[in-house]
Amino acid sequence: DTAVSQTPKYLVTQMGNDKSIKCEQNLGHDTMYWYKQDSKKFLKIMFSYNNKELIINETVPNRFSPKSPDKAHLNLHINSLELGDSAVYFCASSQDFLAKNIQYFGAGTRLSVL
Amino acid sequence: GENVEQHPSTLSVQEGDSAVIKCTYSDSASNYFPWYKQELGKGPQLIIDIRSNVGEKKDQRIAVTLNKTAKHFSLHITETQPEDSAVYFCAASKGSQGNLIFGKGTKLSVKP
Repeated sequence: DTAVSQTPKYLVTQMGNDKSIKCEQNLGHDTMYWYKQDSKKFLKIMFSYNNKELIINETVPNRFSPKSPDKAHLNLHINSLELGDSAVYFCASSQDFLAKNIQYFGAGTRLSVL
Repeated sequence: GENVEQHPSTLSVQEGDSAVIKCTYSDSASNYFPWYKQELGKGPQLIIDIRSNVGEKKDQRIAVTLNKTAKHFSLHITETQPEDSAVYFCAASKGSQGNLIFGKGTKLSVKP
């Protein structure tokens, strides 16, 4: 069983469209994250939720809106997609929000905005 | 805020040689330093971590050293194998939150 699963794996869309990426973890973790990895492989946190509550919100455009219906799911909705949104988006989870806990990453969603 | 610098950006070694990747951090309050390995088409996976109360940690062919005074930590891989080829990321964070700040990654190539 995959611990952290993201769908879809690939997403190709036109500028201006709205799209969602889904993430689920079956590890029983309390905390989930979204990271963006650009073309140069730079990995940067976007959001973090602990028990469905937002705890980290880095400088991300308002077009990005995370939603956590329960602590096992953290979805990412992106409005009005732009060329610069093209990247690989990773979901991750950890036991709780303390730094000492290992973060488990999903396989990533490669978003291409044309 | 915390800033993590990682060097080199690319590293090519012959199979069987050792590889060393170095990172420096800026925030002296950081106390947790994990290393992640990212294989092609996959998400990062933790390979080893070290906390600030420890100077060195080893797990088979992989070791990490931490110098708190100099604020730098290093990953050492001995007897490298082709399957060690991947992008390696260092990261740093404080104990009160899980906000990992990643280095920019090192692409390691192990040539058979």
